[in-house]
Amino acid sequence: DGGITQSPKYLFRKEGQNVTLSCEQNLNHDAMYWYRQDPGQGLRLIYYSQIVNDFQKGDIAEGYSVSREKKESFPLTVTSAQKNPTAFYLCASSIGPTSGGATSYEQYFGPGTRLTVT
Amino acid sequence: AQKITQTQPGMFVQEKEAVTLDCTYDTSDQSYGLFWYKQPSSGEMIFLIYQGSYDEQNATEGRYSLNFQKARKSANLVISASQLGDSAMYFCAMREGWGTYKYIFGTGTRLKVLA
Repeated sequence: DGGITQSPKYLFRKEGQNVTLSCEQNLNHDAMYWYRQDPGQGLRLIYYSQIVNDFQKGDIAEGYSVSREKKESFPLTVTSAQKNPTAFYLCASSIGPTSGGATSYEQYFGPGTRLTVT
Repeated sequence: AQKITQTQPGMFVQEKEAVTLDCTYDTSDQSYGLFWYKQPSSGEMIFLIYQGSYDEQNATEGRYSLNFQKARKSANLVISASQLGDSAMYFCAMREGWGTYKYIFGTGTRLKVLA
C-alpha cells in the first residue's frame, strides 16, 4: 500500500539534545512538507521540499533542519536551538504543481510523531 | 496577507442531521485551491474535499460538499447525514497560486456528533 510513514509515534528527549524525526513516502511524490501542530491550533509549516537536494524554509524554521537526499525521505531534525520543541509533528507529501494531469495537489499526511522534551 | 479563518472552535450535531462548518479565506491571488481535512483523535490528517478557484460548481464527495462563495471568500464544508465517526477536528486549508507548494491552515473546528 502506498503511503507515508513517520517514526516513532512517540518520542521523548531531554532538553539540549538534538532529535531526528523520520518521514518516508512511497507515493512517488515530488513535494514533501513538515508541519508542527500545538494543542488547539492549526498546522504551521516548518520546511518544505520541491525536489531532491532542495528545500525551503516555512513560517517557523528556526531551530529545525532538514535534508532531502532521496525522493522518498525527508527527515526533520529538531535542534537544541528550538525553544519550545514539545509538539505534534506531521509530515506530508503531494504531487508537485509541475506534474501533468492533477489539479488539486492535495497533501497526504503521515500518522505524526508526538515529541516531548523535558 | 493570506489567511484562513475558522470561527467555530466547537460544534455539536445530532446523528443523521446535516452540519455546516465555516471557513473564510483571504488572498490576493486569482488562482488558488481550497481544501478540507479531517483529523480524528489518532492525529492523522485525512483529505476530504477540494475546490479550485476557477471551478464553477461546488465540489461534492459523498456526504461532503463544499459551499463555495467566491465573492464572499467563503468555503464552508457541509456534512450531510452525520455519523458518530464524523466526530473529529476539521481543518480548512488553502494553496495559494499555481505552481506554489505553500499551504496555509485554519485553526480548526472540533465537531462532536451526538447519538
